[in-house]
Amino acid sequence: QSALTQPASVSGSPGQTIAISCSGTNGDIGAFNFVSWYQQSPGKAPKLIISDVFKRPPGVSGRFSGSKSGNTASLTISGLRPEDEAHYSCSSFTTSGLLVFGGGTWLTVL
Amino acid sequence: QITLKESGPTLVKPTQTLRLTCDVSGVSLKNTGEAVGWIRQASGGALEWLAMMFWNDEGRYSPSLHSRLSVAEGAARQQVVLVLTNMGFDDAGTYFCAHTGPFFAFDAWGQGAVVTVSS
Repeated sequence: QSALTQPASVSGSPGQTIAISCSGTNGDIGAFNFVSWYQQSPGKAPKLIISDVFKRPPGVSGRFSGSKSGNTASLTISGLRPEDEAHYSCSSFTTSGLLVFGGGTWLTVL
Repeated sequence: QITLKESGPTLVKPTQTLRLTCDVSGVSLKNTGEAVGWIRQASGGALEWLAMMFWNDEGRYSPSLHSRLSVAEGAARQQVVLVLTNMGFDDAGTYFCAHTGPFFAFDAWGQGAVVTVSS
């Protein structure tokens, strides 16, 4: 199984809205609504911020939202804040009953 | 609150076998639907899913590492053990265990165990 495709980096200014894409196939993202997104600061463990394409776990800011169209999922962060600067990774359940991650995207808040 | 903690060697030699233990508290791993996954990350690299152990002791593995990987219940009831054989230099990195339900959304993570491969 191949890794999901994410842009290596994105950037935005405080207050702006940015989106990070995660492209897969009919065998993963396109097959189920089991896409998750993780936020990770350097030296820390990842933190789940979106599950099942669009669900936010308790305590996660409403500025984070998820969506999916066909074989591509997206994470949108609105009202960008300096503390949002981090590494973001997507993952998807697959038709083989396994899991695949994306290559990760570094978000820079200018 | 679910907490996880990895433990094991920080240094292994090439060709050796890595054995890592994940201690889990705050949830019964035998409840239907519960699972613990193993994920690793090379320095500066992407997350890579390795394996999963479900409440019914079923294990699932990354196809690229399937022949070298196994997961099992540890000696203590709330432990999951990861075994990776024939370690190579590209197996170095941080190894995380994480809790999930049946569809692989990891809602709690351990702090990570850093593993170096060196002769």
